Amino acid sequence: EVQLVESGGGLAQPGGSLRLSCAASGFPFSNFEMNWVRQAPGKGLEWISYISSGGDTIYYADSVRGRFTISRDNAKNSLYLRMNSLRAEDTALYFCARGIVAGRNYYFDYWGQGTLVTVSS
Amino acid sequence: DIQMTQSPSSLSASVGDRVTITCRASQSISNFLNWYQQKPGKAPKLLMYGASSLQSGVPSRFSGSGSGTDFTLTISSLQPEDFATYYCQQSYSTPLYTFGQGTKLEIK
Repeated sequence: EVQLVESGGGLAQPGGSLRLSCAASGFPFSNFEMNWVRQAPGKGLEWISYISSGGDTIYYADSVRGRFTISRDNAKNSLYLRMNSLRAEDTALYFCARGIVAGRNYYFDYWGQGTLVTVSS
Repeated sequence: DIQMTQSPSSLSASVGDRVTITCRASQSISNFLNWYQQKPGKAPKLLMYGASSLQSGVPSRFSGSGSGTDFTLTISSLQPEDFATYYCQQSYSTPLYTFGQGTKLEIK
């Protein structure tokens, strides 16, 4: 059974940092692209970052580029998101999601339950 | 960026009703359109990919159609477990994947 379990969320001050983790199991993690998607309280879904299966290709949404860093450790079946210079608007539930390429289409077939990040003084 | 607009934003319906949710893209996205269902406090669940392909394990009462800029998700006969929020997502502008704002389906 595919499982994605996020951790590392919590309360951070504006300008502070957090590191999120996503532990994967039930599938060959090193073969799959991974993503982070967030959801502000009561709001919709926002894709924020992508990493290729080998970690050599990385993309970010404009809203987090230069502040967040995605990485992965295939030996540990883990995905990470280092979040620096946090802002109030980064307050959200952060999901890791497995990405699937189907021709030119791309979708997220498995999601974790999310870890909540709150940025407040 | 490609904007995705869903309508309606909320919808009240009864068990057994046929329901259609619409998603419109700000430019043509071919069939690179996916649908998700999210229940309160839960992770999104993939329902449809490529506009009309049903994800494994998803009931056949769900169907999707469309191409270009206009897409629909239809639930043929609403079941109690279908009351949730639904999101469309485009992948035409890789990797700037964008979601619609969501459609909340509530019990009438």
